[in-house]
Amino acid sequence: GAVVSQHPSRVICKSGTSVKIECRSLDFQATTMFWYRQFPKQSLMLMATSNEGSKATYEQGVEKDKFLINHASLTLSTLTVTSAHPEDSSFYICSASLVGLAGREQFFGPGTRLTVL
Amino acid sequence: AQTVTQSQPEMSVQEAETVTLSCTYDTSESDYYLFWYKQPPSRQMILVIRQEAYKQQNATENRFSVNFQKAAKSFSLKISDSQLGDAAMYFCAYTIGAGNMLTFGGGTRLMVKP
Repeated sequence: GAVVSQHPSRVICKSGTSVKIECRSLDFQATTMFWYRQFPKQSLMLMATSNEGSKATYEQGVEKDKFLINHASLTLSTLTVTSAHPEDSSFYICSASLVGLAGREQFFGPGTRLTVL
Repeated sequence: AQTVTQSQPEMSVQEAETVTLSCTYDTSESDYYLFWYKQPPSRQMILVIRQEAYKQQNATENRFSVNFQKAAKSFSLKISDSQLGDAAMYFCAYTIGAGNMLTFGGGTRLMVKP
């Protein structure tokens, strides 16, 4: 099946620094990638939808200047958490949508646990 | 607003028994897809089963099957012959038309007792 990787799997950073998370589709081209945030014991909350070569579409309440998303190619999207604060600590998950697949299935990365001290 | 509701925060089942997880959704669209995802302790989201709304036949995948009631906007997941490895969070979700953005329910934690 289609594989999506995320790097890093865990990151600990100091408050005020920026952190970049990469999401790659390894064996397929993804026109659309999605970024989710998941707090403990809660569901996935969509943060933004990222289309290759265009600006990301952010969900209501998500600060686009804080969560910078770049989708430079059909296999790579990055999420940069700028000036991170402890309240940004969370589990971030990306997913990718397979080009041309009628079922519109999303393939998920393994997630990145961000801890901001 | 389009929503997905999972009314059971936690469920428990004896190994080898059958359990049904509930899901209801709300949409005015006619073209949509429904999914059940499993999230084990590793946090990796795994697709369990998918149902196209235009299909009347309920989807099945080995021990997993759904009861899709379109008029009632209900999409329950039945797990037969439950195994210890089935213990996980289960999320119901749907996507509409060409947008393919997933809307998730709140999740149900399934515990499997040996």
